[in-house]
Amino acid sequence: GAGVSQTPSNKVTEKGKYVELRCDPISGHTALYWYRQSLGQGPEFLIYFQGTGAADDSGLPNDRFFAVRPEGSVSTLKIQRTERGDSAVYLCASRKGDRRGGYTFGSGTRLTVV
Amino acid sequence: AQKITQTQPGMFVQEKEAVTLDCTYDTSDQSYGLFWYKQPSSGEMIFLIYQGSYDEQNATEGRYSLNFQKARKSANLVISASQLGDSAMYFCAMSPALNAGGTSYGKLTFGQGTILTVHP
Repeated sequence: GAGVSQTPSNKVTEKGKYVELRCDPISGHTALYWYRQSLGQGPEFLIYFQGTGAADDSGLPNDRFFAVRPEGSVSTLKIQRTERGDSAVYLCASRKGDRRGGYTFGSGTRLTVV
Repeated sequence: AQKITQTQPGMFVQEKEAVTLDCTYDTSDQSYGLFWYKQPSSGEMIFLIYQGSYDEQNATEGRYSLNFQKARKSANLVISASQLGDSAMYFCAMSPALNAGGTSYGKLTFGQGTILTVHP
């Protein structure tokens, strides 16, 4: 597609439930990044993929968070046993190997845990 | 580890005037990229400008220019001829270059952001 697509745009879930957030990057972008942004803060890095493999998952806060990118395109961020503190906007970005190119972000998924 | 510091929580500028948003960074990487993003109230992150650590000239993109001072580890964004539509949150970010050619980058580290308000 023309841009990075994230679905759903909004997700409300109950504490303790499992959620999946989807990211469809720009076609041909091999690198894919997940970020979490709390209100009034800068985005915080979670994980990034180069192709199908996680190149850096150092930002995942704990083992309740997991992400996959099985075919090197679409990625899913999975959160188990959600907690109210997980409420945030989850941003996905992709990038191609263009030296002067920026990371292209999706519109984000606003997750609210009640 | 990389760190970005934006010391201006908020800035105000008159329409048609220029404004500088400050950004300092800290890194042990020899090769890295510096980026500026705009985030309007709609929430989307809009890429504005990029500067490579080995670029000899300051980057410019239309009304945006990046005042890169490597020795001072600063990468300030200059917006010329401000417009009402420039009112937004602005983030400075950096990423280590993963190869010598600077075509592959790792994770972006963001600052806390600066809210810019343009007055008519």
